[in-house]
Amino acid sequence: AQTVTQSQPEMSVQEAETVTLSCTYDTSESNYYLFWYKQPPSRQMILVIRQEAYKQQNATENRFSVNFQKAAKSFSLKISDSQLGDTAMYFCAFMSRQGAQKLVFGQGTRLTINP
Amino acid sequence: ETGVTQSPTHLIKTRGQQVTLRCSSQSGHNTVSWYQQALGQGPQFIFQYYREEENGRGNFPPRFSGLQFPNYSSELNVNALELDDSALYLCASSLGLESDTQYFGPGTRLTVL
Repeated sequence: AQTVTQSQPEMSVQEAETVTLSCTYDTSESNYYLFWYKQPPSRQMILVIRQEAYKQQNATENRFSVNFQKAAKSFSLKISDSQLGDTAMYFCAFMSRQGAQKLVFGQGTRLTINP
Repeated sequence: ETGVTQSPTHLIKTRGQQVTLRCSSQSGHNTVSWYQQALGQGPQFIFQYYREEENGRGNFPPRFSGLQFPNYSSELNVNALELDDSALYLCASSLGLESDTQYFGPGTRLTVL
């Protein structure tokens, strides 16, 4: 079974700083998807960025980028020029390309952006 | 385009009761997945429905059951509620089994007393 580990329960940075959230995962599969979701206090889970395992190029979405290290099974999220609205729980998630289309989530990292 | 909606927003039940949670998928999405998120935890996969059939199930007992309707909306039913069932229940829809991206609703907060 796949597992996802986020080793940073909480992080706090100043507005406009850059922050990196860590995620490692365990799987024996070679083809899968990885995601970062954001869950603000409103509870709605919002997709931040996705990465296909067969693509070597790291995904980027505006201020958000990932560092995908397939051999190390590492998938970190970098947020540049952080904004107050980035304050939220961030979850790393894994999805196999086999079987049910289910997301396996990590425990989350609570990120606080301070003014 | 209407996003994923869930009802009710909050619900309080007592142990032993039954509950039904509802989810309307995003327009055009025929796949619905349900997740349970305990306080301070990441969501856990309960099951998935594709075109009205169950397409995979997580490690949840049979008292967690579901349905998907011809319009692709879905229900999650939980019988014989236990205190540990208190959680946020999230519904997510996607555009078929070949689509990897799930779009989440706002969730239903269930409290079991």
